[in-house]
Amino acid sequence: QVQLVESGGGLVKPGGSLRLSCAASGFTFNDYYMSWIRQAPGKGLEWVSYMSSTGSTIQYADSVKGRFTISRDNAKNSLYLQLNSLRAEDTAVYYCARARRVVAASDYWGQGTLVTVSS
Amino acid sequence: QSVLTQPPSVSGAPGQRVTISCTGSSSNIGAGFDVHWYQQFPGTAPKLLIYGNNNRPSGVPDRISGSKSGTSASLAITGLQAEDEADYYCQSYDSSLSGWVFGGGTKLTVL
Repeated sequence: QVQLVESGGGLVKPGGSLRLSCAASGFTFNDYYMSWIRQAPGKGLEWVSYMSSTGSTIQYADSVKGRFTISRDNAKNSLYLQLNSLRAEDTAVYYCARARRVVAASDYWGQGTLVTVSS
Repeated sequence: QSVLTQPPSVSGAPGQRVTISCTGSSSNIGAGFDVHWYQQFPGTAPKLLIYGNNNRPSGVPDRISGSKSGTSASLAITGLQAEDEADYYCQSYDSSLSGWVFGGGTKLTVL
């Protein structure tokens, strides 16, 4: 069955860095766009970034552009998000999700990993 | 401020019908991009409820439906049940942002 498992979250000080991972299984990873979507405590969903199946197309939300970097390793069926220059407002649960195309729905989501930015 | 606008809350009695609206603009819903809907229970990941405006994934009951017209979309739930109490989010693609946009979410309360 399809599984997406995030890891790497934790407590980090403002200005610090963190690397999130998403391990995928149960499907052909390199057939899918992969994305990161976050949810601040008590708030709604916010798209962060997506990457195409081959990695040729990458987009970021304005709120993270220049600070976050998405990447993937199709040989390892893994998606990553490097978070730099973290701010308090980056505190959120970060979900990875898959989609067939950039305009398609995200049909499977991971359970999420919590990133807390606090001094 | 979310790019897609949803009412913060809706409510209905068991058995009733409720609708949740999602209003966008000419760069997302109005541009013809599909609208998708997700259901989220507290402490859990969102689950896909409707894709491509009006399609249900396997396992989603047919009392849940979606529609789209112009720059807006709607989610309808008929025969409301206690288990429908959750948060609901709409999502689309925005060509001016070259990214995904979500509605702010709607909390459905079953009275």
